[in-house]
Amino acid sequence: AQKITQTQPGMFVQEKEAVTLDCTYDTSDQSYGLFWYKQPSSGEMIFLIYQGSYDEQNATEGRYSLNFQKARKSANLVISDSHLGDSAMYFCAMRAGSARQLTFGSGTQLTVLP
Amino acid sequence: EADIYQTPRYLVIGTGKKITLECSQTMGHDKMYWYQQDPGMELHLIHYSYGVNSTEKGDLSSESTVSRIRTEHFPLTLESARPSHTSQYLCASSLAGGPGNEQFFGPGTRLTVL
Repeated sequence: AQKITQTQPGMFVQEKEAVTLDCTYDTSDQSYGLFWYKQPSSGEMIFLIYQGSYDEQNATEGRYSLNFQKARKSANLVISDSHLGDSAMYFCAMRAGSARQLTFGSGTQLTVLP
Repeated sequence: EADIYQTPRYLVIGTGKKITLECSQTMGHDKMYWYQQDPGMELHLIHYSYGVNSTEKGDLSSESTVSRIRTEHFPLTLESARPSHTSQYLCASSLAGGPGNEQFFGPGTRLTVL
């Protein structure tokens, strides 16, 4: 079975600063993918970044980077230069092996302060 | 930008009514998914489709049913809506089922059953 744990129900960050959202995962599969999605109050899920279990380098997409520590089973999202529009719910998710679906964490509500 | 659509975006309906939530994608994806999400909570898979005429129930038990007669269309039906069905329903699709394949999400349908 796969499990995603997000231990920060809510986070605050000042505009223009960087913030790290924590995510740990558990799986017995060797092959898996880790995803981060953003969900604004409007409800849609917006894909941000992906990290494969065999990728040796941390994934980056613009202001988003994924701090992948395989031995610790963590996949933290780092948002640099925070904007007010980054205020949203952020979900970490995993798809392991031949699993049908993504397994989601409980999410972190990020609020960017002016 | 993902081409996956859901209608209606919002639905308020009385107990006992039959409803169908529509989901369509124009990306030619074989895999489609329905997730249920209560406010501020994680997503849970309720239905999955490998392709045309192939559907399975997800990990979260649901009284809803689905059909997949065409690749692009994956509607979800509740024969008799109840207040316990109040939730957000998110449709998603992916090109294939491997760990690295991103799921594209629709904008969601927020269902309220009175």
